[in-house]
Amino acid sequence: QKEVEQNSGPLSVPEGAIASLNCTYSDRGSQSFFWYRQYSGKSPELIMFIYSNGDKEDGRFTAQLNKASQYVSLLIRDSQPSDSATYLCAVNPRQGAQKLVFGQGTRLTINP
Amino acid sequence: GAGVSQSPRYKVAKRGQDVALRCDPISGHVSLFWYQQALGQGPEFLTYFQNEAQLDKSGLPSDRFFAERPEGSVSTLKIQRTQQEDSAVYLCASSFSIWDEQYFGPGTRLTVT
Repeated sequence: QKEVEQNSGPLSVPEGAIASLNCTYSDRGSQSFFWYRQYSGKSPELIMFIYSNGDKEDGRFTAQLNKASQYVSLLIRDSQPSDSATYLCAVNPRQGAQKLVFGQGTRLTINP
Repeated sequence: GAGVSQSPRYKVAKRGQDVALRCDPISGHVSLFWYQQALGQGPEFLTYFQNEAQLDKSGLPSDRFFAERPEGSVSTLKIQRTQQEDSAVYLCASSFSIWDEQYFGPGTRLTVT
């Protein structure tokens, strides 16, 4: 089992709809969780981070964390074609270990 | 201010050559990370520095890989006797402290022929 798992997609969503991206992780001691967006040929760009159970909203983006289920998700409201990218889920596996463990990414396409 | 910068952006090496990849972190960021990203995969951790101290090098795939950050700022990742499987994008990231989020540079795309 991979430490961080994401559906590779592609996930296709119509413009204006909600895109839902999901991620599961195996280390129950994981402390912090990150979503990065990566356009083709570019480097990862931090979108959101979340440390506590529940929801965290930032503009059109909402991160959701459920530590009991070892599940983190990213919702994108009012999806735009510019949101088309690969979304990487990253987990800091335990306190004091600062490396990020990434999933393989979900490729999202927003159709006009 | 300026973000993380990396050079060169592209490097083509013949198998067996040595290469050196440079990372200049965001000013004031004490933590610096190197990751390797193969095509279609997420980045994989290589090594981590806190100032000039290399605190974790568990992700370096072989003893051909070596990283340094002698003055706690610029870092160099060196790969000796490159092999085709070393072809990947090498990403550098920095953070203000060990507890903060990481910001990535543009990466160096290494192609070994």
